[in-house]
This record gives sequence, structure tokens and C-alpha cells, in this order.
Amino acid sequence: AQSVAQPEDQVNVAEGNPLTVKCTYSVSGNPYLFWYVQYPNRGLQFLLKYITGDNLVKGSYGFEAEFNKSQTSFHLKKPSALVSDSALYFCAVRSVSGYSTLTFGKGTMLLVSP
Amino acid sequence: DVKVTQSSRYLVKRTGEKVFLECVQDMDHENMFWYRQDPGLGLRLIYFSYDVKMKEKGDIPEGYSVSREKKERFSLILESASTNQTSMYLCASIPLGGPTDTQYFGPGTRLTVL
Repeated sequence: AQSVAQPEDQVNVAEGNPLTVKCTYSVSGNPYLFWYVQYPNRGLQFLLKYITGDNLVKGSYGFEAEFNKSQTSFHLKKPSALVSDSALYFCAVRSVSGYSTLTFGKGTMLLVSP
Repeated sequence: DVKVTQSSRYLVKRTGEKVFLECVQDMDHENMFWYRQDPGLGLRLIYFSYDVKMKEKGDIPEGYSVSREKKERFSLILESASTNQTSMYLCASIPLGGPTDTQYFGPGTRLTVL
């Protein structure tokens, strides 16, 4: 069975500082990895995904993520945080085979202070 | 732009009532999903459908059923609502193209069962 771990319930960072939201995964075979963001009282919005190729993936709103196969990690990063980045972030994994179902982590709340 | 809509943003029902949550997508996607989101638990898959009249159980199907009579519409049914079904419910869709495609989410329905 596939699984995703987001070890931090909350990440606090000051505006202008770099941010990292951590994600590790477990899946049989090669993974497809996704990051989604949820603003208050909204649905999930897609940020970026890793399918294959370059380990550094660039996405929306200046976010990027680094795939590390040996550490089974897919951490979300941004060089300079904005207050408007404050939201709930979800990492998700999909296996190569079977139905297109996603397994989500529990989410990490990112709080960016002015 | 893909649009996934859900019939209600907020819903309050009483214990024992039959509850219908409706989801409609406008991009001719084959696959549709229902998740529930709870604090600290992330998103958990309830049911999904990969074609009209087809359905598959997700991780937590107990107490729920689904209906897919038309390609664009996927309904979640709570046969007899209970207080432990108070949650945020999210619908998503994805084309049949493959597991690399992105799931598109609706805005969510926050259901309270009294």
C-alpha cells in the first residue's frame, strides 16, 4: 500500500525567508508525486508534480520541489516566503499501476509572519 | 479552465436524514472522486468512479454510497447521516489519460450533522 508522511503539522517562517515543507512517501515502483495547496474554505489547488526526469520541479506561485529517490522525499520549497503563502499544503502520491487514485498526507499548515 | 462544482458550500442536516451531495464537472472527465477532509487526517478517499454507472470503494466507504448516471455528475449519498459524518467533502475529477494527469477539485461542501 502506498503512503505519504508530512512530519510537521505546522511550519512557521518570516516573510522573505526561504521555506521548506517536508514530505516522504512509500510506494511500490516509481512514484508520481504531487503538491496541492488549500486556502481557507476553498478546495485544493494544484501546485506542481513530479513524473520523471529532472529532480527539481518548478510549479505555480514560485514554488518548487525536489525529488530524492534514495531518501523517498519530495520536499516543497520557496526561496522567499510571502504572507499570502499562508495556507494548508498537501503532498500526495500515486502509483504507476492501477487506478488514478491519490494518497494524501495529513497536511502541513504554513504560517508566514510579516 | 476545468471547472468542478459542488451543489452546496455549507449544509446542516439532522441525524438519520438521507443526504445527497452533488458534484458536476464540465471537462468530460472519465474519473471522478469523493474525499472527506478532517483535521489531522488529511484527505481520505470514500468512493471513485471511472465511468458512468461504475464505482469503486475507496479507503472509507462505510456509511456512504454513490451514483453516477451521467458522465459529468457524481453524487455522494449518506443513507442515514450520523454525527461522525460531519466533515468537509471534496469532489475531484481527472481525465482517463493516465496517472500523470492532475486531479481537479471542487470548492468543497462543509456538512454538519446535528
